[in-house]
Amino acid sequence: DAGVIQSPRHEVTEMGQEVTLRCKPISGHNSLFWYRQTMMRGLELLIYFNNNVPIDDSGMPEDRFSAKMPNASFSTLKIQPSEPRDSAVYFCASSIHGEANVLTFGAGSRLTVL
Amino acid sequence: GDSVTQMEGPVTLSEEAFLTINCTYTATGYPSLFWYVQYPGEGLQLLLKATKADDKGSNKGFEATYRKETTSFHLEKGSVQVSDSAVYFCALTKTSGTYKYIFGTGTRLKVLA
Repeated sequence: DAGVIQSPRHEVTEMGQEVTLRCKPISGHNSLFWYRQTMMRGLELLIYFNNNVPIDDSGMPEDRFSAKMPNASFSTLKIQPSEPRDSAVYFCASSIHGEANVLTFGAGSRLTVL
Repeated sequence: GDSVTQMEGPVTLSEEAFLTINCTYTATGYPSLFWYVQYPGEGLQLLLKATKADDKGSNKGFEATYRKETTSFHLEKGSVQVSDSAVYFCALTKTSGTYKYIFGTGTRLKVLA
């Protein structure tokens, strides 16, 4: 298996632009997580899907952020409009739902908003 | 609510030194506990895990024991190498409900040759 695949790996955009980050989880995994990592705030859970349904989106910072999972093999995280404080590394991770199941992380998408 | 607390870094050691990174948790019930490692420019990857009290997780010379009485899961390695330089995250999941993972803030380890 190729692991969790994220794209783009790097994105540089200007304030106000729309940003879309993409994730392909491991085949057979039914839980998907979006995390944001910054030096100041560490690793933050943004949203968690189980069987393509959002279970917990309490970490989504504000209405500018939205996430979708239209099928078991694809998810997007969208920021519109983007702001400089959104600059971070965004990780997608997947697992099999249940106790003690290991998260497999993608390599991350580094976003810089100028 | 549930939480994980790790010792602040960075931790700087010489090669072959003994490593301890402290981790304590607060959770109701009986969580599963994990250590993940993040190498520069990469995502987190599982280092070891323990699912019940007194379990010892081990991998690549690293060990951690699930101590329910002290709510701790400290990471140890007897002799670190330069290649162990990374950020280490302690984490837990609950044994029921949403299985949401809760991560500590991470501890950066730098090993000098």
